[in-house]
Amino acid sequence: KAGVTQTPRYLIKTRGQQVTLSCSPISGHRSVSWYQQTPGQGLQFLFEYFSETQRNKGNFPGRFSGRQFSNSRSEMNVSTLELGDSALYLCASSAPKTSGSADTQYFGPGTRLTVL
Amino acid sequence: AQSVTQPDIHITVSEGASLELRCNYSYGATPYLFWYVQSPGQGLQLLLKYFSGDTLVQGIKGFEAEFKRSQSSFNLRKPSVHWSDAAEYFCAVGRGADGLTFGKGTHLIIQP
Repeated sequence: KAGVTQTPRYLIKTRGQQVTLSCSPISGHRSVSWYQQTPGQGLQFLFEYFSETQRNKGNFPGRFSGRQFSNSRSEMNVSTLELGDSALYLCASSAPKTSGSADTQYFGPGTRLTVL
Repeated sequence: AQSVTQPDIHITVSEGASLELRCNYSYGATPYLFWYVQSPGQGLQLLLKYFSGDTLVQGIKGFEAEFKRSQSSFNLRKPSVHWSDAAEYFCAVGRGADGLTFGKGTHLIIQP
């Protein structure tokens, strides 16, 4: 079974631009979570989607948004990029047995975003 | 609020020696606990997890971890490390849609 895939793997943008990152979960997984990883703040939870609904969101400004499609693929968007948005963005998928249960999150390789 | 503490930022061990990485957590309910490993430029690979039941869990690559509720700990162990174990190790806690809360990570260095 193929793992979580993320595209693109690397991205360079300038301040003020916007960016869209894509994540394809493991086949059959309906939950997708996004995380930001920086040297200073470590791994931080951005948001989680299940069946096209955002169920939870971390402590990030509204410039960070996401969505999930009917095939469970997910995208996250960052508008008005700032230098501090430079990070590795990781996507994880899981297959909760019900919408209220927990399961193991499997991570993709990440998208390395550099903001100049 | 939930939190995870990994007290050791860096650990250096000799190849063939035993390893223990510490993890302490704070969580309001019964915790779901995980250890992940990350090699440079890569995503996170799951080593093992604890949801319930036997408090000693076995994972991949010869790793194991023990859940101790009284100490709020979930330490990772390996009896004999290999040079390929050099990486960053993350302990995490979380369940459901809450997302995972990660520790800051422990950087493992293997001496020949």
